[in-house]
Amino acid sequence: GAVVSQHPSRVICKSGTSVKIECRSLDFQATTMFWYRQFPKQSLMLMATSNEGSKATYEQGVEKDKFLINHASLTLSTLTVTSAHPEDSSFYICSASEDPGGSGEQYFGPGTRLTVT
Amino acid sequence: GQNIDQPTEMTATEGAIVQINCTYQTSGFNGLFWYQQHAGEAPTFLSYNVLDGLEEKGRFSSFLSRSKGYSYLLLKELQMKDSASYLCAVKDSNYQLIWGAGTKLIIKP
Repeated sequence: GAVVSQHPSRVICKSGTSVKIECRSLDFQATTMFWYRQFPKQSLMLMATSNEGSKATYEQGVEKDKFLINHASLTLSTLTVTSAHPEDSSFYICSASEDPGGSGEQYFGPGTRLTVT
Repeated sequence: GQNIDQPTEMTATEGAIVQINCTYQTSGFNGLFWYQQHAGEAPTFLSYNVLDGLEEKGRFSSFLSRSKGYSYLLLKELQMKDSASYLCAVKDSNYQLIWGAGTKLIIKP
């Protein structure tokens, strides 16, 4: 149980275009979803926390207008990287929790490798 | 500020035992997690400690001392597939996960 999927697993896009990444909880209702970014040889950096039906809470330094997060249902959250630039190339990972505020265990998706050319 | 420290890299021999240490300084404590992450993949959950002591799960064990802000992950009977990064993470008073940079474990035959 507790499976989280992400789509796509890999995406290459041109600079200036937008990319949408989906995160789905397959067998549980994810009240809270988290979006992380990980650069090579670095640890996970939390970008934002989203609760179903409400606006996402962004971490300091993360531009909310550039990284649009929509958590429209209890099983789906999307991250859209708008006007992507090469420096946005990274490994994006979502995680989901059944508990409000993410107090319970977080289940991770397999990640999405974004390359911006 | 909040800080999680763990060694950058460790090397061990197949069949041996290795201990990966983690020290933390966080605003509040609501549990400590260990995750395994293979290159290019997302982290997978290994263990969770919220009370002091040792939690054993097969070849892996995790220890916590809250008074010392210290934990370790013990891996026994090492296998080549254990080569990965091991991430220590602490949930702070806001239930936010604070991540260490990870320890890259290299297993040699």
